[in-house]
Amino acid sequence: NAGVTQTPKFRILKIGQSMTLQCTQDMNHNYMYWYRQDPGMGLKLIYYSVGAGITDKGEVPNGYNVSRSTTEDFPLRLELAAPSQTSVYFCASRQGLPNDNEQFFGPGTRLTVL
Amino acid sequence: TQLLEQSPQFLSIQEGENLTVYCNSSSVFSSLQWYRQEPGEGPVLLVTVVTGGEVKKLKRLTFQFGDARKDSSLHITAAQPGDTGLYLCAGDSGGYQKVTFGTGTKLQVIP
Repeated sequence: NAGVTQTPKFRILKIGQSMTLQCTQDMNHNYMYWYRQDPGMGLKLIYYSVGAGITDKGEVPNGYNVSRSTTEDFPLRLELAAPSQTSVYFCASRQGLPNDNEQFFGPGTRLTVL
Repeated sequence: TQLLEQSPQFLSIQEGENLTVYCNSSSVFSSLQWYRQEPGEGPVLLVTVVTGGEVKKLKRLTFQFGDARKDSSLHITAAQPGDTGLYLCAGDSGGYQKVTFGTGTKLQVIP
């Protein structure tokens, strides 16, 4: 299993541009998450999904959108990129069973908005 | 909004020293996880504690969950350079949906 994969690894955007961060997991996990991590800080939840077709806002959803058309994929869309969105973005997945709360993280996408 | 405060925020110690990292909240969690994150990578789970007062050991790392399930600590004995990284606690409120991550403790162990 590849686990959680994210593309691209790095990206530089100009203010106002759009892009989609890709996330795929091959563990058949129900739950998937998008976090952002600012330098030296913890993780802030952007959006999450408990299954295909179901998404919900996290702590910091403004400026982002998500979709979950399949169990495997959970892309994050940035519209009208702003410098405040410069961060490292992590996708994670979780089985979702009771007492099984380990999240598996991808390697991250480092985004800079200039 | 549930908050998890970690202290200290930064810690730089010599190899062989002991250290304790704290994770505190005013909220009750059904379980709490500790993750370690190395530069350029995603966090990796170290341990999950579930029962109030529970103590778990992972080699030189000792994890404790507070009796009231609002706080936790991570103690490292005889720290080694390989312990360097960002330590994150994460509280699960039991909804199987999302966890709250702590503010992080950045540890540097100097050889």
